[in-house]
Amino acid sequence: DAGVIQSPRHEVTEMGQEVTLRCKPISGHDYLFWYRQTMMRGLELLIYFNNNVPIDDSGMPEDRFSAKMPNASFSTLKIQPSEPRDSAVYFCASSRPGTGRTEAFFGQGTRLTVV
Amino acid sequence: GQQVMQIPQYQHVQEGEDFTTYCNSSTTLSNIQWYKQRPGGHPVFLIQLVKSGEVKKQKRLTFQFGEAKKNSSLHITATQTTDVGTYFCAGPRDSNYQLIWGAGTKLIIKP
Repeated sequence: DAGVIQSPRHEVTEMGQEVTLRCKPISGHDYLFWYRQTMMRGLELLIYFNNNVPIDDSGMPEDRFSAKMPNASFSTLKIQPSEPRDSAVYFCASSRPGTGRTEAFFGQGTRLTVV
Repeated sequence: GQQVMQIPQYQHVQEGEDFTTYCNSSTTLSNIQWYKQRPGGHPVFLIQLVKSGEVKKQKRLTFQFGEAKKNSSLHITATQTTDVGTYFCAGPRDSNYQLIWGAGTKLIIKP
């Protein structure tokens, strides 16, 4: 398996533009997590899905952020409109706790810069 | 709410010295996991501890889970440049599989 795949790896956009980040989890994993990492705030959980259903979105900073998981192999995180304070590395991770192992497998992340 | 505290935030060591990071949870954990994130990289799973008082070793890395299953530590013996990065602990939130993360300890090798 290729692991968790995120795209794009880097995104530079202007303030006010819409940004869409993409994630393909590991096949067979039924949990998907979106994290944001900054120097100031560390690793923050934004939202997570179980079997494509959003379970907890309390970490989503505001209404400008939205996430979807239309099927088991694809998820998106959208920011509209983007602001400079959204600049961060966004990670997607997946897991399959039903096997007894609850560890998360991370993608390589998307480094977002909003100017 | 449920929290996992991790200290120290940074540790500067000379190559060859030992390194230790500590995690403390506000609640009893069913397990604790450790991850390593290299500079510019993503967190990578190292190990999971499940049993009270469990000790596991991976070469120069020793992981411990406290008797009360509320604290854990990672000790690296004789650090090498390849050990540079940030080490995170994480434990599952009560009743679901969401992980609660420590803030991480950054291992820095002095030049």
